[in-house]
Amino acid sequence: GENVEQHPSTLSVQEGDSAVIKCTYSDSASNYFPWYKQELGKRPQLIIDIRSNVGEKKDQRIAVTLNKTAKHFSLHITETQPEDSAVYFCAASINAGNMLTFGGGTRLMVKP
Amino acid sequence: SQTIHQWPATLVQPVGSPLSLECTVEGTSNPNLYWYRQAAGRGLQLLFYSVGIGQISSEVPQNLSASRPQDRQFILSSKKLLLSDSGFYLCAWAGPRHTEAFFGQGTRLTVV
Repeated sequence: GENVEQHPSTLSVQEGDSAVIKCTYSDSASNYFPWYKQELGKRPQLIIDIRSNVGEKKDQRIAVTLNKTAKHFSLHITETQPEDSAVYFCAASINAGNMLTFGGGTRLMVKP
Repeated sequence: SQTIHQWPATLVQPVGSPLSLECTVEGTSNPNLYWYRQAAGRGLQLLFYSVGIGQISSEVPQNLSASRPQDRQFILSSKKLLLSDSGFYLCAWAGPRHTEAFFGQGTRLTVV
């Protein structure tokens, strides 16, 4: 089955700096890669996703890149703000709507 | 619009007692349904997924079971809880016309 590795497990940045979280996956058939943000004690919520036919996608301060050859994808947050502090999960699945395999999560702390 | 309901929000149960967590989805039909567990400070572990009534797949051997008695109802159960069953349980649904998995609010289970 699919295996998703996520690094780093914790990340501390100064407000205004950029944060990068990286994930690798094992199943070359995976073609849907969402990123979820989970605030303390709350449910994970989708913040951005990318499909395998796209190399990069941006939404304001958030961007994701995908390298299918190397089987890795990354989340980039620019101009970080304290409210960006949360746990971020990457995931992979063969098709949107199908079973997601999650990475282990990254606890991002943005220091004011 | 689609909504997902999960209850209870918190639960404290003694070791050896039974468990029943319920999840229902509204506004969609034939969803894929999932149960995830999140141990404290850890990632999301897929426990069960279901693609239809009575169809349950288990990802990890454990003390828990799942059932899907109706199209939009997914139940997580245990006959006898263990201390190691403590965690944050999340129900999720996804559908072929949607590009993301939607999570319920979660149930924080503490086995004492």
